[in-house]
Amino acid sequence: AQSVTQPDIHITVSEGASLELRCNYSYGATPYLFWYVQSPGQGLQLLLKYFSGDTLVQGIKGFEAEFKRSQSSFNLRKPSVHWSDAAEYFCAVGARSGGSNYKLTFGKGTLLTVNP
Amino acid sequence: EAGVAQSPRYKIIEKRQSVAFWCNPISGHATLYWYQQILGQGPKLLIQFQNNGVVDDSQLPKDRFSAERLKGVDSTLKIQPAKLEDSAVYLCASSLIPGLAGGPSREQFFGPGTRLTVL
Repeated sequence: AQSVTQPDIHITVSEGASLELRCNYSYGATPYLFWYVQSPGQGLQLLLKYFSGDTLVQGIKGFEAEFKRSQSSFNLRKPSVHWSDAAEYFCAVGARSGGSNYKLTFGKGTLLTVNP
Repeated sequence: EAGVAQSPRYKIIEKRQSVAFWCNPISGHATLYWYQQILGQGPKLLIQFQNNGVVDDSQLPKDRFSAERLKGVDSTLKIQPAKLEDSAVYLCASSLIPGLAGGPSREQFFGPGTRLTVL
């Protein structure tokens, strides 16, 4: 069965600093990988996704992520964090669950705090 | 376009009571998902509908949870009777068609969720 590990429960960065959120996955086949962001009281919003091809994917709000098969990782990065980026971030792996159906399995999330 | 709508946004009940949540997906989206998000954890899929049929309910505690999507549009998730461990945010999501690969038609769009507290 697939699984996702986000090693950092809580990260604090200063506004303008760079950010990297870690994500490791376990899945026997080629994974579909996702990063979602959840602001307080809001649903999840898709930041970016990886299906195949270029291992560096660009997303919304200036985020990017790099798929590294050898490390089973899909880390999220942003060169300069804004105060509005404070939120919880979830990494997810999509895996086939029968027929043409796929299921998302989420990590436990990383809470990002941004200091002014 | 309007997003996924959910109501109520908050609900507080006593254990052993019943509760129901409602979800209206994005217009035209055939696939609807209910997730449970316990504090400190990521969302966990409870049930997936394709139109009005169930595709996956393997993680739905069927002794107390039920869900329906009678006309293939909006959906209701019910808990009867509720337990303390059911306290969570219940998220509804929809996608145009099922599956995850192949482009934006398969992206899942999430509603704001219903926060349930069981006392």
